[in-house]
Amino acid sequence: DVKVTQSSRYLVKRTGEKVFLECVQDMDHENMFWYRQDPGLGLRLIYFSYDVKMKEKGDIPEGYSVSREKKERFSLILESASTNQTSMYLCASSPVSGNTIYFGEGSWLTVV
Amino acid sequence: GQQLNQSPQSMFIQEGEDVSMNCTSSSIFNTWLWYKQDPGEGPVLLIALYKAGELTSNGRLTAQFGITRKDSFLNISASIPSDVGIYFCAGTNTGNQFYFGTGTSLTVIP
Repeated sequence: DVKVTQSSRYLVKRTGEKVFLECVQDMDHENMFWYRQDPGLGLRLIYFSYDVKMKEKGDIPEGYSVSREKKERFSLILESASTNQTSMYLCASSPVSGNTIYFGEGSWLTVV
Repeated sequence: GQQLNQSPQSMFIQEGEDVSMNCTSSSIFNTWLWYKQDPGEGPVLLIALYKAGELTSNGRLTAQFGITRKDSFLNISASIPSDVGIYFCAGTNTGNQFYFGTGTSLTVIP
């Protein structure tokens, strides 16, 4: 089975703090994604990576950055957290050869 | 990005009833996916469809890839309380760009 693991399930951070959300997948997938999920807004793509050190902006990249130093690991960084970044964050991966995307368990971030 | 139209938005049903939901797009896809998301959890893949007209089952779940390639359907037969959750669809033509439905919230009344 494909396994996408998000290291932090629940975080509470203060405004202005730097936040790291880590994601690891064990299926050697080339593509990795970070989404944000908010009630009524569905899934919105923050960043996408198709290879190590490669990244592309999604629909809502402002206030976020990403890092992919190893194929299996994709990190989402909030340089200076703000209250409007309180949300559920979902990491996902997909193989370049297949049209299926697999999600992690999600990380609930609350910024106070 | 484009969001797919999914209906109904929510459903309240009695245990044992069958459930139907659908997803439509203005664009054609070569793959349709259906997910279930439990409260506070990440989405779990239920069924993947790769061919227009394809009908695929997973236990009490059956999904169909519409022949126009612009829609897909999910049916749940004989619902049980653990079917509660949000179901959503996804469409794609590549492995790196996915479009998601707005979700159907299912409540099963025992």
